[in-house]
Amino acid sequence: DAKTTQPTSMDCAEGRAANLPCNHSTISGNEYVYWYRQIHSQGPQYIIHGLKNNETNEMASLIITEDRKSSTLILPHATLRDTAVYYCIVRVEGNAGNMLTFGGGTRLMVKP
Amino acid sequence: DAGVIQSPRHEVTEMGQEVTLRCKPISGHNSLFWYRQTMMRGLELLIYFNNNVPIDDSGMPEDRFSAKMPNASFSTLKIQPSEPRDSAVYFCASKQGSYNEKLFFGSGTQLSVL
Repeated sequence: DAKTTQPTSMDCAEGRAANLPCNHSTISGNEYVYWYRQIHSQGPQYIIHGLKNNETNEMASLIITEDRKSSTLILPHATLRDTAVYYCIVRVEGNAGNMLTFGGGTRLMVKP
Repeated sequence: DAGVIQSPRHEVTEMGQEVTLRCKPISGHNSLFWYRQTMMRGLELLIYFNNNVPIDDSGMPEDRFSAKMPNASFSTLKIQPSEPRDSAVYFCASKQGSYNEKLFFGSGTQLSVL
């Protein structure tokens, strides 16, 4: 699986959009980009994933650049409850030989 | 659905004692994962089951750790004997199908070995 690089921490004002970047310059054509988050004292929570096209669900939007070497997770109106560590993971689906591994992630602090 | 259920929520034990952590995956999910999280090492994958069969246990730290999945609705992670360095939060996760990486995590077991 391709390696990902994320900023260690970010701040965001409550009500504003939170844009979390992720670099995955060695991504291959069949690797998906997955995002999870972990709120303090809870297990990680799946947010969204995509391959090439931008994706949106009730939690967030995922913007993947055309060359697929980077992506951005967007929380359109951040709330205090969005304070968490956000993990970007690149992964070949169905690759049973390897398992989903989490890096350091980005610690997002949403401030009033 | 109640989600992935782990027990106990907290466990405090003394060095040398046996510890058993339990997990009930989401009904219908055919893959189960055990992770361990510490401040120093982050979130580490220990072992992965598919259809109740252990697929890869390369993340299990040493022989003191063992995991079983006797049926599709139950798994255990056992540490015998426990050591203070085993203190961590242990998460269980499950997923449905093979061609996705959408894992559902439990609330974790906070283990403290004194």
